[in-house]
Amino acid sequence: LAKTTQPISMDSYEGQEVNITCSHNNIATNDYITWYQQFPSQGPRFIIQGYKTKVTNEVASLFIPADRKSSTLSLPRVSLSDTAVYYCLVGDEENYGQNFVFGPGTRLSVLP
Amino acid sequence: GAGVSQTPSNKVTEKGKYVELRCDPISGHTALYWYRQSLGQGPEFLIYFQGTGAADDSGLPNDRFFAVRPEGSVSTLKIQRTERGDSAVYLCASSLTASGGHTDTQYFGPGTRLTVL
Repeated sequence: LAKTTQPISMDSYEGQEVNITCSHNNIATNDYITWYQQFPSQGPRFIIQGYKTKVTNEVASLFIPADRKSSTLSLPRVSLSDTAVYYCLVGDEENYGQNFVFGPGTRLSVLP
Repeated sequence: GAGVSQTPSNKVTEKGKYVELRCDPISGHTALYWYRQSLGQGPEFLIYFQGTGAADDSGLPNDRFFAVRPEGSVSTLKIQRTERGDSAVYLCASSLTASGGHTDTQYFGPGTRLTVL
């Protein structure tokens, strides 16, 4: 079973850059890496997805080293509204690469 | 456009009763997923459909849980003889495909909060 490891929690201050690293040593060749964000009382929301190197969109960047055994979600200049739980998902080899195995996520608290 | 919707938003029932939870996916999405989430935990996979068929139901905890998607769109999660331990938020998600690649980004609904008294 594919498994990801993330820090349980992180604290940051408004305006800082936050980097959350996820380890996924058993990632399969064709797996994509996907990050979701979840606010209280809401379903998870897609943030970013990548396969290798670097991906950037309007809210975040995703850095993936050549061996793809880890990935880092980078949130530039966080605000209080970025306080949420962040989940990293990769494919599950036993289920043909389906990425529906959520871990406990990283609880990010942004302080004023 | 319209996102994933789930009804009801809240359901309170008594132990032993039967409940149905409904999910309306995004139009055109062939894959549909059900999860449940307990407080402080990540979503726990239950089942996913590719079209009308359940492609993987390995996450269903026991035979009291069942889900259907008869026309490949709306899905219903059914729980028989509910127990207090079934109390959780039940999340539904849909994706364009379920290929394990870039097209299977999941779009989640707001969830149904089930409370079993």
